[in-house]
Amino acid sequence: DIQMTQSPSSLSASVGDRVTITCQASQDISNYLNWYQQKPGKAPKLLIYDASNLETGVPSRFSGSGSGTDFTFTISSLQPEDIATYYCQQYDNLPRFTFGPGTKVDIK
Amino acid sequence: QVQLVQSGAEVKKPGASVKVSCKVSGYTLTELSMHWVRQAPGKGLEWMGGFDPEDGETIYAQKFQGRVTMTEDTSTDTAYMELSSLRSEDTAVYYCATGAGGAFDIWGQGTMVTVSS
Repeated sequence: DIQMTQSPSSLSASVGDRVTITCQASQDISNYLNWYQQKPGKAPKLLIYDASNLETGVPSRFSGSGSGTDFTFTISSLQPEDIATYYCQQYDNLPRFTFGPGTKVDIK
Repeated sequence: QVQLVQSGAEVKKPGASVKVSCKVSGYTLTELSMHWVRQAPGKGLEWMGGFDPEDGETIYAQKFQGRVTMTEDTSTDTAYMELSSLRSEDTAVYYCATGAGGAFDIWGQGTMVTVSS
């Protein structure tokens, strides 16, 4: 099975800061990697698909990059409404899926 | 657009079974590949299984093999997830989710299942 790791597990940043989260796969998954945002008590929301494509309607301050085993998710200028937990998810071995453990983002 | 509406919260005793429903609107169930994801309190997302359109079969995560059954009623566009032999560790929010390719862009609102004696 493909395992996913994320770092950090949590972070605190100031409004306007650039925030970066990394996700690593246990084997090469090409660009079969998505990013989700989950706010407390809500279902996850797809932000980035295929490693770097912004989902329709998602603000452009969110971006993703990477391929193979190493991926990065960036919020270019953190906003108060971005407080959430962010998950990466691989789909290299469809129809099976694996989520990363999540990164909790708070405002400092 | 597609909407997924799930059944309400459940409280079950250890050893019992629970069946959660997910009603599709805006599309027919046959046009979608439905999957189920769960989230224990304070924990991350865990894929449980879903429909494989390549071979028309439902596949399950190894962890749940033998305990979970996912079915679909195409006459009512409703998907179901039944989990048996419940234990306290199964206390979680259960989501149905769907999307194109490998991304879940549509999620149900979640169903809280509490397992307690």
